[in-house]
Amino acid sequence: QKEVEQNSGPLSVPEGAIASLNCTYSDRGSQSFFWYRQYSGKSPELIMSIYSNGDKEDGRFTAQLNKASQYVSLLIRDSQPSDSATYLCAVNRDNYGQNFVFGPGTRLSVLP
Amino acid sequence: DGGITQSPKYLFRKEGQNVTLSCEQNLNHDAMYWYRQDPGQGLRLIYYSQIVNDFQKGDIAEGYSVSREKKESFPLTVTSAQKNPTAFYLCASSMLGGGETQYFGPGTRLLVL
Repeated sequence: QKEVEQNSGPLSVPEGAIASLNCTYSDRGSQSFFWYRQYSGKSPELIMSIYSNGDKEDGRFTAQLNKASQYVSLLIRDSQPSDSATYLCAVNRDNYGQNFVFGPGTRLSVLP
Repeated sequence: DGGITQSPKYLFRKEGQNVTLSCEQNLNHDAMYWYRQDPGQGLRLIYYSQIVNDFQKGDIAEGYSVSREKKESFPLTVTSAQKNPTAFYLCASSMLGGGETQYFGPGTRLLVL
């Protein structure tokens, strides 16, 4: 089993819809969770971090964490064509930064 | 402007050649990292460093070497022992401690001639 799994997509949603991106992880000791957005040919940029069970909202983005189910998700409300990118889920397995593990990413396409 | 810079943007390597990728940060971060990204794959950790003059191997260190002589700089050398070096190389940095966010530089794309 891979450590961090994501549906590779592409996930296509119409403009204005809600995009739902999912990520599962295998290490129950994982402490911190991050969503990065990566445009084609560019480096990842942080969207959200989440550390506790439940929801965390920032503008059009909501991260959801369920440690019991080892599941973290990202919802994008009112999706825009500019949201079209690959979304990487990253999991920090312990208190040391070097233990970031990245998923393969989900490619999102928002159709005008 | 605070940030992470990487150079060059594109790098071409000939067979049997060592090449060095530059990474500099002015964020006063203690920890720095090198990742490799292949098409359609996630990032894989090559090396990381938490303090000057100390660094640790990541998951795919074979064929690579690093140094950390200054807090701001963490250059990566791709040696001739790395047989499949074509990839997108990303440098990141963070504060020390649990749960700290890693911030990325713009990346270097390495191609083999």
